Parts: sequence; structure tokens; C-alpha cells
Amino acid sequence: GAVVSQHPSRVICKSGTSVKIECRSLDFQATTMFWYRQFPKQSLMLMATSNEGSKATYEQGVEKDKFLINHASLTLSTLTVTSAHPEDSSFYICSAVKRVQETQYFGPGTRLLVL
Amino acid sequence: AQSVTQLDSQVPVFEEAPVELRCNYSSSVSVYLFWYVQYPNQGLQLLLKYLSGSTLVKGINGFEAEFNKSQTSFHLRKPSVHISDTAEYFCAVSDVYNNNDMRFGAGTRLTVKP
Repeated sequence: GAVVSQHPSRVICKSGTSVKIECRSLDFQATTMFWYRQFPKQSLMLMATSNEGSKATYEQGVEKDKFLINHASLTLSTLTVTSAHPEDSSFYICSAVKRVQETQYFGPGTRLLVL
Repeated sequence: AQSVTQLDSQVPVFEEAPVELRCNYSSSVSVYLFWYVQYPNQGLQLLLKYLSGSTLVKGINGFEAEFNKSQTSFHLRKPSVHISDTAEYFCAVSDVYNNNDMRFGAGTRLTVKP
């Protein structure tokens, strides 16, 4: 199989604080991981592409300093929402691929609520 | 760049009835096509995918989809739905040269009524 986990599944934080979300590939090594954002009743929007050992590639309109991505190993990528504000509240989903050009496997998502 | 249009935002259907969820795509190059299902507060689960070969693709949970290149469509079908099929369904496309650049449709909410 190809299982991807995310932690935490839900998080509530105060405005101005930073939140870290982890994405792990449990039974395979992921050369590339992706971070998506999903607003209520909307589709997934790609935020960034994360390659192990290199800087993430951000989509147009996504603030690099706001959404820090680290892909420190072949099984772990983290997304840190810095100085979170209520408008950052959303469902964040990661995905991972074993090798370039292969199928993306999605994590269960993290619900972030910023008060 | 490629794009996806899901023609129906909501599809209500009675249990055991057939269903078709429509998806059309746009791309200047050859594509890979996917259908994902999302249950409430969960991530996406791959239902099926078309990469090449037979245009009729069978997936999990009794779903199938047919790739129609001339009509640029990839409609999802199931002959008899269950209550448990109630979920959000997303069609997605990527081009064959950059499979990692995946674009999603807006989603179709399938509601199966008893």
C-alpha cells in the first residue's frame, strides 16, 4: 500500500501563533510531497511542491514566508503556518509520490481553525 | 495548462439507482485523468485513474469511468449506488509530461437518498 498520514488532524490556535502540520509517508519513501489547501465546499488548490533536501516550489499567490515548508527526509514534510490569522483557517491536505511522475497518495487532511 | 470542469455541483439520487458524474477537461497535450472521493473531514481517496490503454477504467467500490478523447470527457459511473457512496467526488487531470502538476475540478456532491 501507500499510506500517508498527517498530524494533527485538527488544531485550534490563537491569532498570531504559529502552527506546524506534519505529513508522513508511512510505508514508502516520497521523493516529492505536495501541500494543498481546501476552502469549505471548494476544490483543492495546490500551494507548493516539496522535494526532499531542497527548497519548496510555491504556486503563484502563496506567501513563502507565511507558509514555511520543510522536507527534511524522504518520509516527512512539514508545513508551518506562521503568525496565523483567521483567514488562514482551512483544510490542509498533503500528498506524496514515490517517484516523479507517479500517482499522488493523499493524507487525511488537517483542519486548522484560527481564532 | 490543463483544466477540469465538473458540470454538476450536486447530484441527488435514490439508493440502488445508477449515477453518472460528469467531467470534462481541457489540455493542449496528452493527459492522465483521475477520480477521487472525499468523505467528510477526510482526505482524498483514489477511485480510479486513466493513464493509457483501454478507455474504460474500473475502480474501487464498483465505480468505472470512460475516457473519451474526442469529447474530452472522463465521466464517472456506477450502476447502483449505496447510501455509503454519499460523498464529494473530484475529477483531476495532469499532463503526461508533468504528472505532479495536478488540477482538480470544483467537485460534485453526490447524495444518495434511501
